[in-house]
Amino acid sequence: EAGVAQSPRYKIIEKRQSVAFWCNPISGHATLYWYQQILGQGPKLLIQFQNNGVVDDSQLPKDRFSAERLKGVDSTLKIQPAKLEDSAVYLCASSLIPRQGGGYTFGSGTRLTVV
Amino acid sequence: AQTVTQSQPEMSVQEAETVTLSCTYDTSESDYYLFWYKQPPSRQMILVIRQEAYKQQNATENRFSVNFQKAAKSFSLKISDSQLGDAAMYFCAYRSYSGAGSYQLTFGKGTKLSVIP
Repeated sequence: EAGVAQSPRYKIIEKRQSVAFWCNPISGHATLYWYQQILGQGPKLLIQFQNNGVVDDSQLPKDRFSAERLKGVDSTLKIQPAKLEDSAVYLCASSLIPRQGGGYTFGSGTRLTVV
Repeated sequence: AQTVTQSQPEMSVQEAETVTLSCTYDTSESDYYLFWYKQPPSRQMILVIRQEAYKQQNATENRFSVNFQKAAKSFSLKISDSQLGDAAMYFCAYRSYSGAGSYQLTFGKGTKLSVIP
């Protein structure tokens, strides 16, 4: 089966610019997650979708970050305007319905550098 | 809030030897899942092994096994017959139900494993 696809793989922007990341989960996976992984740390959940609805966005900095999942498939994460501290790897993951206890399948992430 | 602690930032092991990575967590729940993920330089998080808290038997997957001590809230990963391809960051993760159909996966800070030929 195809994995979780993410693009771009790398992105360098100046502070105050905007940027968008794209994720295509595994076909049939209802739940999609965006994680932020700062260098030297474990991933931190930003937002979770179930189908096309937001289930948890409590750790998403909503003044600058936004995300959508149209039609319950692809998802886009946007940052506007970017700050230096947003430099990180942004990982997308998907899973079957969580209560089935399965693990998550992760993409290879987008490495963002804000200069 | 749940926390996951990995106290070993870096570990090294000789090829073909055995190494154990430590993980402790803090929770007041009785039903949860624990995971070990491997992250090579390609950045993709790969599931290594999963443990359900209500199962007393330790999970095993080929050369990978865990020592799950529920009362001590400890979840260590043992890698036997280490191979060069095992070199990576290893993350311990705790999954809990956070309400309204939402499950949250909380990660530790990771352990960087080096394998010496």
